[in-house]
This record gives sequence, C-alpha cells and structure tokens, in this order.
Amino acid sequence: DAKTTQPTSMDCAEGRAANLPCNHSTISGNEYVYWYRQIHSQGPQYIIHGLKNNETNEMASLIITEDRKSSTLILPHATLRDTAVYYCIGPNAGGTSYGKLTFGQGTILTVHP
Amino acid sequence: DAGITQSPRHKVTETGTPVTLRCHQTENHRYMYWYRQDPGHGLRLIHYSYGVKDTDKGEVSDGYSVSRSKTEDFLLTLESATSSQTSVYFCAISEGLAGWMNTGELFFGEGSRLTVL
Repeated sequence: DAKTTQPTSMDCAEGRAANLPCNHSTISGNEYVYWYRQIHSQGPQYIIHGLKNNETNEMASLIITEDRKSSTLILPHATLRDTAVYYCIGPNAGGTSYGKLTFGQGTILTVHP
Repeated sequence: DAGITQSPRHKVTETGTPVTLRCHQTENHRYMYWYRQDPGHGLRLIHYSYGVKDTDKGEVSDGYSVSRSKTEDFLLTLESATSSQTSVYFCAISEGLAGWMNTGELFFGEGSRLTVL
C-alpha cells in the first residue's frame, strides 16, 4: 500500500485558515485521497475526498497538486471546535477495496483563541 | 448524524471471558466495519462486512470473530478476552456502489471502551 505523510502537529489561530499538508508521493492514477478528523474520544468524521480536481464542501476545501503527489486540506476559518486529529488517507481507500481505510497517526491541529 | 449505535459503550471484563460488542445501523448501508484504537497505533481494521453473511479479515483479526445475519447488525466477538484486547472499539458503516465499489465515506459510531483485567 502506498502511504501518506503528515506533520505530527500544527497550530492555528482562531478565525484564520488552517492549511494541513499531506504527502502521498506513491499514489496511483485512480486512487482517491480522503480526509477524516477525530475530535477527542469521538469516532472519526469524514471531511472530504478528491481524485485530481480541487474539491470544496461545507466543511473544507481540498487542494490536490497537479502531479497528485501531495494535497492540502484547508479549513477556511478555524474555530476552537476544529481542534482535532486530522487524517489524510491515501491509496487503497474506496474503489474496489471495499472501503477499507488505513489510518495513520494524523496531524494534531490545535486552534488557539 | 448516521444512525449507528454501539453497545455496550463501556465494559469491564476478566481475562478468559467471552465478550460480544454489537453495532446496529438504521441506514441500510451495505458495508460495516470494526476498528480498534490504541495509543501509539491509531485506528486499525479488525474485520469488515460487505453484505449479510459476507465478512472478511482486516489488519488485526486474530482473537476476534464477527457475524452479520442481518443488514443492520454486525457483531464482534472476543471468544476469550485477553488484556491486549483492552481498547476502544469503533464500528463504521459505508454505502456501497455498483459491484464492490465503495464511496470511501465511512460513518463511525461513538465507540465502545473495553477493559480486560
């Protein structure tokens, strides 16, 4: 399985944009990138996913580089409630793999007042 | 919120006793999953189901069995619990697409905290 690499932790000021990077340099052409987050003690929550085009929904935006080797999750106006562990989940998710997700260690995002 | 209910939410048991965790969904989703989460290991897939009576092993299936006799219920059984199975267990569901395709959008339950003494 191809793997993803994320920073261990990041900080962000409340009201500012949080930009969370992810490297997935071994991704293949038909593999999606998924983002989930986990707020303390709760089950993970789906945020967004994409293949090669940028995506936006009510929670976040996903920017995928043209070579698809990396992506950035953007929370446009971070709030204290966005403090969580953010998981970038790369290859082997969705498609023909029965939706089996492989979670790494993720990025701990702390939003400060 | 997706209709997923895990039971029990908390359980303390002794080594060697059998334990069954239940996941119940009201979404009629095809796929169901059991994950465990431990400090330092993150979330790891135990077993998953892609339909009634259709199950398969995940990354850490040893010591666990599952059953799915109805679309809405997915049971995780520890035949003889060990201290290494102390963990938080999460159930998840996902909608299927044509064939074996999957959206990749999983909805997780609130978790079941199991302590094996």
